[in-house]
Amino acid sequence: DGGITQSPKYLFRKEGQNVTLSCEQNLNHDAMYWYRQDPGQGLRLIYYSQIVNDFQKGDIAEGYSVSREKKESFPLTVTSAQKNPTAFYLCASSGGTGDNQPQHFGDGTRLSIL
Amino acid sequence: AQSVTQLGSHVSVSEGALVLLRCNYSSSVPPYLFWYVQYPNQGLQLLLKYTSAATLVKGINGFEAEFKKSETSFHLTKPSAHMSDAAEYFCAVLYSSASKIIFGSGTRLSIRP
Repeated sequence: DGGITQSPKYLFRKEGQNVTLSCEQNLNHDAMYWYRQDPGQGLRLIYYSQIVNDFQKGDIAEGYSVSREKKESFPLTVTSAQKNPTAFYLCASSGGTGDNQPQHFGDGTRLSIL
Repeated sequence: AQSVTQLGSHVSVSEGALVLLRCNYSSSVPPYLFWYVQYPNQGLQLLLKYTSAATLVKGINGFEAEFKKSETSFHLTKPSAHMSDAAEYFCAVLYSSASKIIFGSGTRLSIRP
């Protein structure tokens, strides 16, 4: 079955540590997205990529970095500069942007501080 | 600025009652519209989408939504609530001039026995 796989499901970060969240899709989608979700809040866009080797900052990119070396992969690194990383992180993909393609979501990674 | 508003962060209905979750968008140009559902500790699942083919859109799990241009609304309804409908629901819009979807802040639906 086609879909989006996020790993790990739970992740713990120590002070000063960078951690990387994995997102892989086998839907052959061009566009991929990372969102942050805090309790009782909606989704906030961190980064998005419309094509391989290209990505753009979303609304809350500070303290995060991404890469898009392969079409199927869009890993997110939460750096030590992100002082409040505890949240639920969601990865999504879509067939394109600027049209009516809905986004498909992974099951998320919950990040906590040790 | 382009935006989407969900009225009511929490809605509670009795099992078997009508479900109505409200969504309004900001632009006079009709965007593409979506409703998603999120169960605890899971990602978002697409319920339905509006793409201008028909104003009444039917989705999964018995949900439907009606696009009303005059009211800039896309409210989600279900005639009879089931306990399994308890979840968070997100309305989202995609404007043709934009490259990303804008999500509402979500409405948590609770079902009373």
